[in-house]
Amino acid sequence: DVKVTQSSRYLVKRTGEKVFLECVQDMDHENMFWYRQDPGLGLRLIYFSYDVKMKEKGDIPEGYSVSREKKERFSLILESASTNQTSMYLCASTGDEAYGYTFGSGTRLTVV
Amino acid sequence: DQQVKQNSPSLSVQEGRISILNCDYTNSMFDYFLWYKKYPAEGPTFLISISSIKDKNEDGRFTVFLNKSAKHLSLHIVPSQPGDSAVYFCAASASDYGQNFVFGPGTRLSVLP
Repeated sequence: DVKVTQSSRYLVKRTGEKVFLECVQDMDHENMFWYRQDPGLGLRLIYFSYDVKMKEKGDIPEGYSVSREKKERFSLILESASTNQTSMYLCASTGDEAYGYTFGSGTRLTVV
Repeated sequence: DQQVKQNSPSLSVQEGRISILNCDYTNSMFDYFLWYKKYPAEGPTFLISISSIKDKNEDGRFTVFLNKSAKHLSLHIVPSQPGDSAVYFCAASASDYGQNFVFGPGTRLSVLP
């Protein structure tokens, strides 16, 4: 029973391309998050959203933007992909802080 | 400056023995802590949590200990099994900060048969 779905598991894009990473959750959660995971750095928060059409910057928002037009969908946008954005991207949602986040399976993005 | 630290990037343990994963934090406002487990090519999954009003929480083979004065928590896995081999992330949040969790860099646990 999949609860947080990321549209792509693996993605290869060229430098300068605009990249869309999609995330959908079916748990009616209000809070959604985008993280990137890099070796030795753990999970770093890019953007998060507490409500539809609402967004907040996380720790490393530079080079990224987000869109949340519907409650269940939170999109991460790389306006002009660069090689230092090669990473594992993880989407998460939460409705009950006691259990923290429910994560998607991740998208491994390679920018060449 | 990392607010949540996991100073051991990796740990190897023999099957059947105890695994102890450590986590330190610097922000005294943190009052809720989680451990996540992550297999390759999968998202992290929730493992166990502890609130700052407790110093221990147990769930089957997994126990988390919290030492608030030392700003330290640890995850104990007893007995360790090969299926426990994964990356373990410690995460912390503060009630005043909403539902944002700060994650540590992770520790890769290898349980050897």
